[in-house]
Amino acid sequence: QSVLTQPPSVSGAPGQRVTISCTGSSSNIGAGYDVHWYQQLPGTVPKLLIYGNTNRPSGVPDRFSGSKSGTSASLGITGLQAEDEADYYCQSYDSSLSGFCVFGSGTKVTVL
Amino acid sequence: QVQLQESGPGLVKPSETLSLTCTVSSGSVSSHSYYWSWIRQPPGKGLEWIGYIYYSGSTNYNPSLKSRVTISIDTSRDQFSLKLSSVTAADTAVYYCARAQWLRFDSWGQGTLVTVSS
Repeated sequence: QSVLTQPPSVSGAPGQRVTISCTGSSSNIGAGYDVHWYQQLPGTVPKLLIYGNTNRPSGVPDRFSGSKSGTSASLGITGLQAEDEADYYCQSYDSSLSGFCVFGSGTKVTVL
Repeated sequence: QVQLQESGPGLVKPSETLSLTCTVSSGSVSSHSYYWSWIRQPPGKGLEWIGYIYYSGSTNYNPSLKSRVTISIDTSRDQFSLKLSSVTAADTAVYYCARAQWLRFDSWGQGTLVTVSS
């Protein structure tokens, strides 16, 4: 059971917008730690998609956006494309115990 | 562009110790800007952070694995290593090494599958 909770799956038609939630607590997202998002295409290595809650690394299309509020964060994908079908993971830091990095449970995005 | 490459046995017997090494090229593990990390992914499941090490040798481990994990660093070879003791089938996973900056993982190795089986 992950410290960061994501919906197991979301789906949308090409061109639509989907959002993925990442719910944490007062010891991680709510404590002010940044949220980062990773995209893992089938059979590939995870790739950093959003860092520092809202920032896109060079080369990531602006169809991808991130936001954070309170103890939650969200990843939005607009203009959904077939190539966006992948698993998406949020990641943050938790200050409980001695402090540790934590990933969300992952969300499978299906393009209908 | 930094590159990371995992190496080590693909098959480990139950109760034994899993040992992997990550070799960093086009970059240096002695950089003061990065932490060097291990992350794993069981087949068909999500990502799990194992731990990280700084060039100085300071470490931080996942509390759920802390009693079994040791991460070390060899700055002369630009390598860092993972040891996971007393493995069981639950430790079967793809193991990734990764570079972390500001607690985000910006470069990853290709991953290596380690199977725990007799």
